[in-house]
Amino acid sequence: KAGVTQTPRYLIKTRGQQVTLSCSPISGHRSVSWYQQTPGQGLQFLFEYFSETQRNKGNFPGRFSGRQFSNSRSEMNVSTLELGDSALYLCASSPGTSGAVSYNEQFFGPGTRLTVL
Amino acid sequence: GQQVMQIPQYQHVQEGEDFTTYCNSSTTLSNIQWYKQRPGGHPVFLIQLVKSGEVKKQKRLTFQFGEAKKNSSLHITATQTTDVGTYFCAGRETGANNLFFGTGTRLTVIP
Repeated sequence: KAGVTQTPRYLIKTRGQQVTLSCSPISGHRSVSWYQQTPGQGLQFLFEYFSETQRNKGNFPGRFSGRQFSNSRSEMNVSTLELGDSALYLCASSPGTSGAVSYNEQFFGPGTRLTVL
Repeated sequence: GQQVMQIPQYQHVQEGEDFTTYCNSSTTLSNIQWYKQRPGGHPVFLIQLVKSGEVKKQKRLTFQFGEAKKNSSLHITATQTTDVGTYFCAGRETGANNLFFGTGTRLTVIP
């Protein structure tokens, strides 16, 4: 099975711009989660999507949004970029379960490294 | 909100020495997972613990989940240079689906 893929791998933007990151989960996985990783804050949960619905959300401002398509692919959008948004954005997929809490391991993609100038 | 703290933040060991990282949560966890991230790589799942007091072993790695399900530890016996990386614990609150990652412990193994 192919792993989780993320595009693009690297991105440079300037303050005020917006960006869209893409994630393709492992085939058959229905849950996609997004994380922001920075040296100072570690791995922070952004949101999780399951069957095209946002199921959980972390403590990030509304500038961070996402969506999931019917084929489970997911996109994350950050509007009005700030310098502090520079980070590695990781996507992780898991098989997921409908309704009940998911106990499944997360399979991470290689990440998109976003630099905001 | 839930917080998951990990100590130490950094650890340097001589090859062959043992290593332990500790994870503490401010709330009771339904389960805890451990991940390893090699330098320049992405986190890779190692194991999941679900039961109170559970102990699991993977070769030289021993994982424990505390009786109160608020803490966990990862112990590596006789470290090797291949063990280099950052080890993260990640826990879920009971009834929740968010996975909160610990701050991570970066392990350096000196040959």
